[in-house]
Amino acid sequence: SQQGEEDPQALSIQEGENATMNCSYKTSINNLQWYRQNSGRGLVHLILIRSNEREKHSGRLRVTLDTSKKSSSLLITASRAADTASYFCATLSPGNQFYFGTGTSLTVIP
Amino acid sequence: DVKVTQSSRYLVKRTGEKVFLECVQDMDHENMFWYRQDPGLGLRLIYFSYDVKMKEKGDIPEGYSVSREKKERFSLILESASTNQTSMYLCASSHPGLAGTDTQYFGPGTRLTVL
Repeated sequence: SQQGEEDPQALSIQEGENATMNCSYKTSINNLQWYRQNSGRGLVHLILIRSNEREKHSGRLRVTLDTSKKSSSLLITASRAADTASYFCATLSPGNQFYFGTGTSLTVIP
Repeated sequence: DVKVTQSSRYLVKRTGEKVFLECVQDMDHENMFWYRQDPGLGLRLIYFSYDVKMKEKGDIPEGYSVSREKKERFSLILESASTNQTSMYLCASSHPGLAGTDTQYFGPGTRLTVL
């Protein structure tokens, strides 16, 4: 299976601090996406980075991709209590299949 | 606005019952997916479909079947529900656009409890 793995599994920070989550995957990809999930709710797409891109920004989100290391990181700057959620990475393979990681649980303490 | 809806947010069934989970998308997407989400295991793909009448097995298809008679609707069927199928079920859809730009849209999920 090409399931990604997020690191750390759980992260707790103070409001205003930056949060960094990492994702590793196993085989080649077309793109990598990050999703957010609030407790008991569905997933929300955050940002997509293509395999030929190295860095992408969207508001307080910054995503990097290193295809040689098969890894990606998601940085949330100036975190807020409302950022508390689980964050998942997902990869799209050349065979058009999505694979999801197990997620990082982020808690932002007000 | 993009929308994926699932027929129930919460469902309680008994062991051995036949269970239908419905998913509808209004974006004219070709691709639809069913996942289950369990603590510590992340999302696991059960079945997916790239077109009407087409279906393919994902990582954990055992105990499940699917139906895609119309483009906008993808149904997940538990032929004989078992307690180990208690889980959160998530439906998703996507349009296979240009390579490298495919994005999935998810429904709110159905929390199924099998007693």
